[in-house]
Amino acid sequence: DQQVKQNSPSLSVQEGRISILNCDYTNSMFDYFLWYKKYPAEGPTFLISISSIKDKNEDGRFTVFLNKSAKHLSLHIVPSQPGDSAVYFCAASLTGTASKLTFGTGTRLQVTL
Amino acid sequence: DAGITQSPRHKVTETGTPVTLRCHQTENHRYMYWYRQDPGHGLRLIHYSYGVKDTDKGEVSDGYSVSRSKTEDFLLTLESATSSQTSVYFCAARQSGNEKLFFGSGTQLSVL
Repeated sequence: DQQVKQNSPSLSVQEGRISILNCDYTNSMFDYFLWYKKYPAEGPTFLISISSIKDKNEDGRFTVFLNKSAKHLSLHIVPSQPGDSAVYFCAASLTGTASKLTFGTGTRLQVTL
Repeated sequence: DAGITQSPRHKVTETGTPVTLRCHQTENHRYMYWYRQDPGHGLRLIHYSYGVKDTDKGEVSDGYSVSRSKTEDFLLTLESATSSQTSVYFCAARQSGNEKLFFGSGTQLSVL
């Protein structure tokens, strides 16, 4: 049972436009959410996170929105750049002593010129 | 640089042989994790450790074992490799009180 879902396997966006990546989760106990970015042949790298007590967090071109009632989060990238082309994973956590991240299946973003 | 090194980076082995993957970290992270990445499944947790000699199973632990005899090293062993264990394996680590995981560069394992 996939507790964290990314229903769009791929997304193509023009350079300069907004990229919106979506993620849904089923476990209402999750209280911390993260986005990771992964280039080929490299490990995932942390991008941005949000606690369940917030509904928005910004870091430069990246903004994560959390809608707890809908169990939905999204990552907005504005403006999109060719270097943003990568696979993006959302992840959710039950914070605690030995918390573990549960990852979605990933969305491949391609930013075209 | 997250200070996490995985070895080997690539390995090809035959069905039925034992395989050990190594993860070494230099940042004194308390928690360490092994994930596998497969198309259509994202990253799935195999095993994790919350301290030296303290380990627990993840969602896809069958066929795998782990050991952590030192803070800096976390070993993943496939006792008898099967073709279904062909995957990319990632080690990750984090500090106490911080949910952010740092990942190694991965090990591409092919079981023929």
